[in-house]
Amino acid sequence: EVQLVESGGGLVQPGGSLRLSCAASGFTFSAYDMNWIRQAPGRGLEWVSYIRRSSSTIYYADSVKGRFTTSRDNAKNSLYLQLNNLRAEDTAVYYCAREGSGDHDNLFDYWGQGILVTVAS
Amino acid sequence: DIQMTQSPSTLSASVGDRVTITCQASQSVTRWLAWFQQKPGRAPKLLVYKASILESGVPSRFSGSGSGTEFTLTISSLRPDDFATYYCQQYHTFWTFGQGTTVEMK
Repeated sequence: EVQLVESGGGLVQPGGSLRLSCAASGFTFSAYDMNWIRQAPGRGLEWVSYIRRSSSTIYYADSVKGRFTTSRDNAKNSLYLQLNNLRAEDTAVYYCAREGSGDHDNLFDYWGQGILVTVAS
Repeated sequence: DIQMTQSPSTLSASVGDRVTITCQASQSVTRWLAWFQQKPGRAPKLLVYKASILESGVPSRFSGSGSGTEFTLTISSLRPDDFATYYCQQYHTFWTFGQGTTVEMK
């Protein structure tokens, strides 16, 4: 069974940093591209970042470019999101999501349960 | 960037009703359009991809249609489990979601 479990969220002050992790199991992690998506409280979904299976290509939404860094460790079946210089508007539930293959190419077919990041003083 | 606009934002309906949600893209996404269902406190669940292909395990009362810039998600006969928020998403150029449509009980 595919499982994605986020951790590392919490309360942080504006300007602070946080590192999110996403532990993957139930599939060959190194064979899949991965993404981060976030959802501000009571709001819609916003794609945040993409990382290719080999880490050779990484993309970011303009709203986080230069502040967030995505990485992965295929040996540990883990995805990471380093959040720096955090702002109040970064407050959200952060989801990691797997991009499928074949018919599901470029699709977010499995999601984690999400982890809350709150930026406030 | 491709913008996705859903309508309506909220829809009041009763069990058994036929429900239609529309999604408009700011430029053509051909058929690279997905629909997700989200319930409070839960991650989104993939319902439809490539505009009209039902994800495995999704009930047949759900259907998607459209291409280019205009898309619809239809629930043929609303069930109690279908009260939720629905999002369209383009995956033609990066990924963009609509703002969501909440289907609430009338």
